[in-house]
Amino acid sequence: GENVEQHPSTLSVQEGDSAVIKCTYSDSASNYFPWYKQELGKGPQLIIDIRSNVGEKKDQRIAVTLNKTAKHFSLHITETQPEDSAVYFCAASPFGSSNTGKLIFGQGTTLQVKP
Amino acid sequence: NAGVMQNPRHLVRRRGQEARLRCSPMKGHSHVYWYRQLPEEGLKFMVYLQKENIIDESGMPKERFSAEFPKEGPSILRIQQVVRGDSAAYFCASSPNYGEMGTQYFGPGTRLTVL
Repeated sequence: GENVEQHPSTLSVQEGDSAVIKCTYSDSASNYFPWYKQELGKGPQLIIDIRSNVGEKKDQRIAVTLNKTAKHFSLHITETQPEDSAVYFCAASPFGSSNTGKLIFGQGTTLQVKP
Repeated sequence: NAGVMQNPRHLVRRRGQEARLRCSPMKGHSHVYWYRQLPEEGLKFMVYLQKENIIDESGMPKERFSAEFPKEGPSILRIQQVVRGDSAAYFCASSPNYGEMGTQYFGPGTRLTVL
């Protein structure tokens, strides 16, 4: 079935360094790839998303790249700050015949930014 | 503009009782998704609804679980005869658009504990 693999499961960086989280997906027809940030006790917050007609998208310190041939996409956070510490989830929306937009999530990456 | 609202935020039930979780989508959004998050895991899709219609319930357990999104009022996720394995965080997300074109915005979640 549809599957999204996310790595690493935990990531610790020094403040100011960059952080990279990678995801692979199984459904080659997936067209939409959002990234969510989840802080303890809160709901997931959309931070950036990319659609399959674009290879890269950037928003200030956050960027996402998409390689449809290899079926993987990555989140890049530059100049990390302690407030970036959270759990990050990637997701893919399988196209399929129903095309209902349901999201298939990765397992999450716990990012810790050390001051 | 208020975001997605969910209540209650915390719900404690004893085995065999019923749990009712409510979700009010963002203003102008007519699409609601429910997801379940087990401790230290990613979110799993349960059901997708539009007003008065269940569009995709492929992730919903066949027994004890039901969902509705009436013409008036919030979407309801109902769990009958709860068991300990139902303990999880339940999130709803709303979207203004149909299918994979619709960005999903999440609520704060309801944390269900079954004693």
